[in-house]
Amino acid sequence: LAKTTQPISMDSYEGQEVNITCSHNNIATNDYITWYQQFPSQGPRFIIQGYKTKVTNEVASLFIPADRKSSTLSLPRVSLSDTAVYYCLVGETGANNLFFGTGTRLTVIP
Amino acid sequence: DAGVTQSPTHLIKTRGQHVTLRCSPISGHKSVSWYQQVLGQGPQFIFQYYEKEERGRGNFPDRFSARQFPNYSSELNVNALLLGDSALYLCASRMAPLGNYNEQFFGPGTRLTVL
Repeated sequence: LAKTTQPISMDSYEGQEVNITCSHNNIATNDYITWYQQFPSQGPRFIIQGYKTKVTNEVASLFIPADRKSSTLSLPRVSLSDTAVYYCLVGETGANNLFFGTGTRLTVIP
Repeated sequence: DAGVTQSPTHLIKTRGQHVTLRCSPISGHKSVSWYQQVLGQGPQFIFQYYEKEERGRGNFPDRFSARQFPNYSSELNVNALLLGDSALYLCASRMAPLGNYNEQFFGPGTRLTVL
């Protein structure tokens, strides 16, 4: 499994765009990049997944450069309810042993 | 629509005891995975079951076992509990073990405290 590195924590003001970068230098050809969000005392929730370039859905965008050795999760105009831990995972689609790491704790400030 | 459900929500046990945690997947989902999340860390994969068969196992001792029933619900059993087994135990379901997305749907977890 490719190891990932993320910042331990980030702070942001409400209404700002937040970019969380994940480093995955050893990503394999068949690996996808997946992001999950977790609130306290809840299970993680899938946010977005991508393989290359840019993926966008109703809650976030995922930017992946050509070398795929890093990726950036972009949250537009965050609100207080976006305060959570965000996990970057790298692995084959359908992999049953996804490695969550310690994640990035995002705190949104009023 | 009901999501993944887990029971009990909280549990307190003493060292040496055993515990059984239960999980019901989303209707139509045939794959169930179990994760352990220690405070301050991300979830760690324990087991995956699909169609009642074990499809994956993480780096956990044999004290941990699981099974899946014909209705796709699952149980996680932990024997000879240690203090270090205190954690949030998460169950996740998905349509099939292999798919185009790494999207799993997690339950709220069972908080196990070992004294």
